Amino acid sequence: GDQVEQSPSALSLHEGTDSALRCNFTTTMRSVQWFRQNSRGSLISLFYLASGTKENGRLKSAFDSKERRYSTLHIRDAQLEDSGTYFCAAAHTGANTGKLTFGHGTILRVHP
Amino acid sequence: NAGVIQTPRHKVTGKGQEATLWCEPISGHSAVFWYRQTIVQGLEFLTYFRNQAPIDDSGMPKERFSAQMPNQSHSTLKIQSTQPQDSAVYLCASSSQGGAETLYFGSGTRLTVL
Repeated sequence: GDQVEQSPSALSLHEGTDSALRCNFTTTMRSVQWFRQNSRGSLISLFYLASGTKENGRLKSAFDSKERRYSTLHIRDAQLEDSGTYFCAAAHTGANTGKLTFGHGTILRVHP
Repeated sequence: NAGVIQTPRHKVTGKGQEATLWCEPISGHSAVFWYRQTIVQGLEFLTYFRNQAPIDDSGMPKERFSAQMPNQSHSTLKIQSTQPQDSAVYLCASSSQGGAETLYFGSGTRLTVL
């Protein structure tokens, strides 16, 4: 089965509302990275976490430092430009490698 | 910093033809990764290089696909005898050291095999 389970698969938000995306890992992971893919197909890195939380503007991400089996991405005060497809991707423990396993993405639509 | 540069942006080939995709990593980055994205399979790892040496090609199809990194400023992904199922967006990424760290992606090459 999938090693990175991302939810929800699609999300529709009104402008100004808050929400959260989640990724569960079937095994312990070393680190997680969150991306947004825009309409041109470019994957923009939002966060890289090896533990703890990071915040950037209206976005905040957390990586479970204890079990290392899930990560969340919180969106506060959603804006139209937040629309896109969000991916989490995780690096396995063991060899220190940048090889990532991706979730299947969350299609986010923010509407007025 | 121009980011990771991939060329061409779009490529259309006929079944059985060869396709070569190019990637220029961020200057100073020592690791280059290739991924493939399709609607059905999502984003799949293909292969990666560190300091130009192939490290892990576990995601590469065993036949027809090959990747090289002849120098630190570019990598190529070659698909011989392309098939319609090879149609996908091929994404290249680079990172500073090749370990568990931030990956920076290019805009991808959309390959369509007719």
